[in-house]
Amino acid sequence: EVQLVESGGGLVKPGGSLRLSCAASGFTLTSYTMNWVRQAPGKGLEWVSSISSSGSYIYYIDSVRGRFTISRDNAKNSLYLQMNSLRAEDTAVYYCARESEYSSSLFGYWGQGTLVTVSS
Amino acid sequence: DIQMTQSPSTLSASVGDRVTITCRAGQSINSWLAWYQQKPGKAPKLLIFKASSLEGAVPSRFSGSGSGTEFSLTISSLQPDDFATYYCQQYKSYSWTFGQGTKVDIK
Repeated sequence: EVQLVESGGGLVKPGGSLRLSCAASGFTLTSYTMNWVRQAPGKGLEWVSSISSSGSYIYYIDSVRGRFTISRDNAKNSLYLQMNSLRAEDTAVYYCARESEYSSSLFGYWGQGTLVTVSS
Repeated sequence: DIQMTQSPSTLSASVGDRVTITCRAGQSINSWLAWYQQKPGKAPKLLIFKASSLEGAVPSRFSGSGSGTEFSLTISSLQPDDFATYYCQQYKSYSWTFGQGTKVDIK
């Protein structure tokens, strides 16, 4: 069974840093495109970043490029999102999502999310 | 980035009603459109991909249609489990973008 478990969220001051983790089980991370998708409180979904199965292709939404870094640890079968220079507008639930069986561009499996709050 | 616009933002309906949600893309995305369902406090769930293909476990009362810039999600007979928020997503080109969501609530 595919499982994704996020951790690492919390309260951080503007300008601070946080690293989110996503522990994957039931599949091998390096076989699938992995993503981070966020949802601000009471708002809609926003794709944040993707890393291809090979690790060769990495994409970011413009608003986080240069501040966030997606990475993975193949030995731990875990995905990460290093978030630096955090802003109030980064406050959201962050979901880790795996590609679906139908397309690497779809979000077929999701974790439960971890809340990041950026506030002084 | 490709802008996705859903309408309506909120839809009030009763069990058994036929409901339709519309999604419009800012430019042609062919059929590279997906629909997700999200319930409060839960992660989204993929319902439909490539505009009209149902994900394996999705009930047949859900259907999707459209191509180019105009798309719709229809629930033929609304069930209690269907009260949720629905999002469209384009996957023609990065950045992947979602519509703002349509909340289906009880009339």
